[in-house]
Amino acid sequence: LAKTTQPISMDSYEGQEVNITCSHNNIATNDYITWYQQFPSQGPRFIIQGYKTKVTNEVASLFIPADRKSSTLSLPRVSLSDTAVYYCLVVPSNTGFQKLVFGTGTRLLVSP
Amino acid sequence: DAGVTQSPTHLIKTRGQQVTLRCSPKSGHDTVSWYQQALGQGPQFIFQYYEEEERQRGNFPDRFSGHQFPNYSSELNVNALLLGDSALYLCASSSSKTGAGDGYTFGSGTRLTVV
Repeated sequence: LAKTTQPISMDSYEGQEVNITCSHNNIATNDYITWYQQFPSQGPRFIIQGYKTKVTNEVASLFIPADRKSSTLSLPRVSLSDTAVYYCLVVPSNTGFQKLVFGTGTRLLVSP
Repeated sequence: DAGVTQSPTHLIKTRGQQVTLRCSPKSGHDTVSWYQQALGQGPQFIFQYYEEEERQRGNFPDRFSGHQFPNYSSELNVNALLLGDSALYLCASSSSKTGAGDGYTFGSGTRLTVV
């Protein structure tokens, strides 16, 4: 499984756009890039997943360059409730029996 | 539609004791995975159950064991508890028919404290 590297922490203010970059140099052809969000004392929650180029949903956007060795999670106009830990994962797509490999994540603090 | 339900939410045990944690998967899911999350760390994979059998296992000792029932619910058992077993234990359910990482639903976890 490809190892991921992301910043330990980030600070932002309400209303700003936040971009969290993740490095995954050894990503394999059948791997997807998946992001989870975790609030204190709760389980991780799926945010977004992509294979290449750009994916957007109602919560975030995910930008993946052509070489797929990195990806950027973009959170538009963050609010205080976006304060959480964000995990970047690389997940093979071949079966439903995946074990998710989490790193230490990026701790995002949004201030007023 | 109920998500993943875990019980109990909090538990305090003494070193050397045994503990059983329970998980009910999301409706429509048939696979259950367990994770251990120490304070300040990301979740670590313990094992995964499908069709009442352990399908894969992470780097955890045999003191950690599990079970899956015909209704897909699952238990995690930890014997001979150590202080280092104190953590948030997370259950994640998924469907065997879903690939990649977007089909996992996590419960809120059981906070285990070993004293």
